[in-house]
Amino acid sequence: EAGVAQSPRYKIIEKRQSVAFWCNPISGHATLYWYQQILGQGPKLLIQFQNNGVVDDSQLPKDRFSAERLKGVDSTLKIQPAKLEDSAVYLCASSLREGYNSPLHFGNGTRLTVT
Amino acid sequence: AQSVTQPDIHITVSEGASLELRCNYSYGATPYLFWYVQSPGQGLQLLLKYFSGDTLVQGIKGFEAEFKRSQSSFNLRKPSVHWSDAAEYFCAVGAHGDDKIIFGKGTRLHILP
Repeated sequence: EAGVAQSPRYKIIEKRQSVAFWCNPISGHATLYWYQQILGQGPKLLIQFQNNGVVDDSQLPKDRFSAERLKGVDSTLKIQPAKLEDSAVYLCASSLREGYNSPLHFGNGTRLTVT
Repeated sequence: AQSVTQPDIHITVSEGASLELRCNYSYGATPYLFWYVQSPGQGLQLLLKYFSGDTLVQGIKGFEAEFKRSQSSFNLRKPSVHWSDAAEYFCAVGAHGDDKIIFGKGTRLHILP
């Protein structure tokens, strides 16, 4: 099966600019996650979708970050305006359904550098 | 709230040697525990998981982990490492009734030829 696809792989922007990341999960996977992985740290959950509804966005900085999953398939994560501390790898993951018995499948991530 | 600690930022072992990566968690009840591996430029891949039952869990690529409630630990082991095992390893914990998984900061494994 095809894995989780993310684009772009790399992005360099200046602070205060905006940026968007795209994720296409594994076909049939109902649950989609966006994680932020800052250098030297483990991934931190930003938002979780179940189909096209938000399950958990408690750690999403909503003043600058937004995400959507229209039609319950692919998803976009946007940052506007970006700050230096947003430099990180943004990982998308999907699973067949909610719950721990359904393993997460991760994409290769988008590495964002904010200068 | 649950948390997970990986005390070692870097570990270096010789190819063919045994490996143990440490993981300690903080949680009041029996947690869900995971080990993930991340190769450079790649996403995370699940190695193994513990939910309940046998405390010694077998995973992919010859890895195993042992849940020790008394020590709040879930250490990852492999009897003989290969150069391809060089990667970053993340321990993660989840809580009953909450789908959120908390990741440790990771341990980077280096393999000497």
